[in-house]
Amino acid sequence: AQSVTQLDSHVSVSEGTPVLLRCNYSSSYSPSLFWYVQHPNKGLQLLLKYTSAATLVKGINGFEAEFKKSETSFHLTKPSAHMSDAAEYFCVVSDGGDYGQNFVFGPGTRLSVLP
Amino acid sequence: EADIYQTPRYLVIGTGKKITLECSQTMGHDKMYWYQQDPGMELHLIHYSYGVNSTEKGDLSSESTVSRIRTEHFPLTLESARPSHTSQYLCASSGGKETQYFGPGTRLLVL
Repeated sequence: AQSVTQLDSHVSVSEGTPVLLRCNYSSSYSPSLFWYVQHPNKGLQLLLKYTSAATLVKGINGFEAEFKKSETSFHLTKPSAHMSDAAEYFCVVSDGGDYGQNFVFGPGTRLSVLP
Repeated sequence: EADIYQTPRYLVIGTGKKITLECSQTMGHDKMYWYQQDPGMELHLIHYSYGVNSTEKGDLSSESTVSRIRTEHFPLTLESARPSHTSQYLCASSGGKETQYFGPGTRLLVL
């Protein structure tokens, strides 16, 4: 069975400082991993995904994440936070199955960016 | 930008009314999903579909029902809305194991 842990329910950073949102997963198979962002009153937007290619994945808006199999982690980072980054972030794991509801969502991390 | 649409975006309705939340995608994806999300909370899968004429219940029990008569369309119906159904409902589709694409969501308020 798969599971996702997002270690921080809320992260607060100052504008211009680095962002780190942590995600750990468990999966019986070679997983695909995703980060989604949800701005207030909006749907979910895909930030980036890992699908067994390069372990360092670059996404939109300057975000990137590194897949570390030994640590079962997929932490999301950004060198310099912007006010527009304030949102809810979800880490998602999907296993190798081709059918079925195989996307498991983490509980989310709310990112606040202070001026 | 993903081509997945949900209507209505917002709905306020009285207790006991029947409602249908629409979800359509133009990407030809076989798999579609409905999630329920309370404000500031995680997503809970309530229904999913592998393809036409396939529907399954998700992890969270829901009084809603779904149908999948056409590939592009996956409506969700509540026969008798109650205040406990107040939530945001998110529809998603996927062409495989790779990526889910989400609609903008429907915010439902049942008075």
